[in-house]
Amino acid sequence: DSGVTQTPKHLITATGQRVTLRCSPRSGDLSVYWYQQSLDQGLQFLIQYYNGEERAKGNILERFSAQQFPDLHSELNLSSLELGDSALYFCASGSGPSSYNEQFFGPGTRLTVL
Amino acid sequence: DQQVKQNSPSLSVQEGRISILNCDYTNSMFDYFLWYKKYPAEGPTFLISISSIKDKNEDGRFTVFLNKSAKHLSLHIVPSQPGDSAVYFCAASARVDMRFGAGTRLTVKP
Repeated sequence: DSGVTQTPKHLITATGQRVTLRCSPRSGDLSVYWYQQSLDQGLQFLIQYYNGEERAKGNILERFSAQQFPDLHSELNLSSLELGDSALYFCASGSGPSSYNEQFFGPGTRLTVL
Repeated sequence: DQQVKQNSPSLSVQEGRISILNCDYTNSMFDYFLWYKKYPAEGPTFLISISSIKDKNEDGRFTVFLNKSAKHLSLHIVPSQPGDSAVYFCAASARVDMRFGAGTRLTVKP
């Protein structure tokens, strides 16, 4: 158990819809990272927040957005969903702002867009 | 963009033998490299890392080698155990940017 929690575990929705994925980092960690893993693909870095502020941006689509709240939990919002958005979405947390710090991954949310 | 590549999607080795997983990167700005291991239905877990100022880092049965001139790193597992069967991701970092490879599925046969 990494100490990172993600909800929901599974999500099935239709094209055009909007969903919110939630992540609670390990106690004491200030950084939250979001990743997308599509079938047969590696982990695609989406975005990082550190202590409530956006720290780094990766291959995140404009239809996607994220935020980190004062209690340090984070939400990833995916809108106007397309079939290709079906993937595993992982959240990871780390103690510092740098990606040099070890990241602790949650179990993931499996999103299926029908 | 495939800045980090793991060209072998799978690898099968016999228990007790050496497993060698390879990773190539293209961005010379990467200066920190990590390996993560992932079991089914779980998130990746950190395994071992190496800074670009080193060419080798060892932790028990796991050793990571870095060849900066070739932009290549490898993970050696000796001796391999059935419990090592998992997907291994290579990651490369440049301070705030981290890129992962597509992973290599290692199967260790008893």
